[in-house]
Amino acid sequence: EVQLMESGGDFVQPGGSLRLSCAASGFTFSNYDMSWVRQAPGKGLEWVSAVGGSGGYTHYADSVKGRVIVSRDNSKNTLYLQINSLRAEDTALYYCVKDSEVGFDCWGQGTLVTVSS
Amino acid sequence: SSVLTQPPSVSVAPGRTADITCEVSNVGTKSVHWYQQKPGQAPVLVMHYKSDRRSEIPERFSGSNSGNTATLTISRVEAGDEADYYCQVWDDSIKHILFGGGTKLTVL
Repeated sequence: EVQLMESGGDFVQPGGSLRLSCAASGFTFSNYDMSWVRQAPGKGLEWVSAVGGSGGYTHYADSVKGRVIVSRDNSKNTLYLQINSLRAEDTALYYCVKDSEVGFDCWGQGTLVTVSS
Repeated sequence: SSVLTQPPSVSVAPGRTADITCEVSNVGTKSVHWYQQKPGQAPVLVMHYKSDRRSEIPERFSGSNSGNTATLTISRVEAGDEADYYCQVWDDSIKHILFGGGTKLTVL
C-alpha cells in the first residue's frame, strides 16, 4: 500500500524555521517526482514546491521562493521541506504528494504549521 | 501564465447532475486534473488528464474539455458526493503547478 506520512509541523514564531519530513512507502520512491501542497485554515489548495525523482530539479511557488528548500533522500525514501523566515501567512496544513505525471495520486494526511507570536 | 477559475459553489438535488467547471486561461494542451476533498480529509484524485477516471472512482464521475473550459460532471449525485472539488494543471511556461480556487458541492 502506498503511504506518505508527514511530520515536523509545529507552532513557531514569525521569522523562525522548520523542516518538514515525509516518509514514503509502498512504491519505488526514486521513480517519482514529489510535491508539497499546503492548505491554510478554511482555504483552498496551494502548491508550494516540487522536486524531481532524482532530485535533479526543483520548482517553487512565487509565494515561498527564496525562503523554502525542497530536497529528498532516496536512500531513506524521505522528502523534506525546509521553510525559513516563517510568516503568519505560512500557517497551513502541509501535504506531501506523489506525482504520477497524470496527477497527484497519493496524499499524506498533512502536518500542521502554525506561525504566530 | 495560466489562471484557473472555478465557481465557488454548486448546489444540486440528489439524483440530478452536477457540472463543476474550471476555466483555464492559455489552456493550450494542458492536462487538467480534478480532486475531491471531503471535510477533515486529504484530497483524492478523481479525474486525470483528458477525462480519465481513476479505477476506484464511481462511473458517475466523468470529465470533459471544451475550448478553455474543463468540466467535471457528476451524474446521479448522492449525499456522499458533497465535498470541495479542485482543478489543477501544470503550467510549463513558468514551471508551476496551479490549482483552481475550489468549488463547494452542496447536495440539497
